[in-house]
Amino acid sequence: GDSVTQMEGPVTLSEEAFLTINCTYTATGYPSLFWYVQYPGEGLQLLLKATKADDKGSNKGFEATYRKETTSFHLEKGSVQVSDSAVYFCALRGTQGGSEKLVFGKGMKLTVNP
Amino acid sequence: DGGITQSPKYLFRKEGQNVTLSCEQNLNHDAMYWYRQDPGQGLRLIYYSQIVNDFQKGDIAEGYSVSREKKESFPLTVTSAQKNPTAFYLCASSSNTGQSRETQYFGPGTRLLVL
Repeated sequence: GDSVTQMEGPVTLSEEAFLTINCTYTATGYPSLFWYVQYPGEGLQLLLKATKADDKGSNKGFEATYRKETTSFHLEKGSVQVSDSAVYFCALRGTQGGSEKLVFGKGMKLTVNP
Repeated sequence: DGGITQSPKYLFRKEGQNVTLSCEQNLNHDAMYWYRQDPGQGLRLIYYSQIVNDFQKGDIAEGYSVSREKKESFPLTVTSAQKNPTAFYLCASSSNTGQSRETQYFGPGTRLLVL
């Protein structure tokens, strides 16, 4: 079945450091890919998404490119801020039966220090 | 403001007790979902519903039950058969049409603790 593998962390960075969170997936066909962010004690918020190969999703300085050849959707930000401290989840929505469901990675906790 | 509300924020369950978690949305979304979040395990799907009066089991439905009598409401009952209910429960919804149909929107969550 469909699956998502992502860096699990936790990761601690200094403010203004470069961030990369790796995410790879296994799925049949062409799934849609998502990054969600969860701030402490809250639900998940959609950060960005991409629905087809070579699409780039971007939001709040974060970017991720849908790479079909490497089955990857790595999240990047050039300069992190303290306010980016959160848990980041990579997810996919498949194209086969039951594709209404999202399949999530285990999440990666990021802490950004001043 | 449109959104998803979950109540209560914290819920305590006694041994052998059934408890119900509320989820309401005013986004006019057709589909609704319940996830369970445990530390280090990401989110796992409990139940989902694509339309009113219909719902499907997810990956970990045992010990849980749901109903979908109204479009805007999708309550989750944690029964006494669920032996390890302590977790953070997240409700989500999505539209079945339009450009945003693939995106799920989440509520703030309910933390369930066992006394």
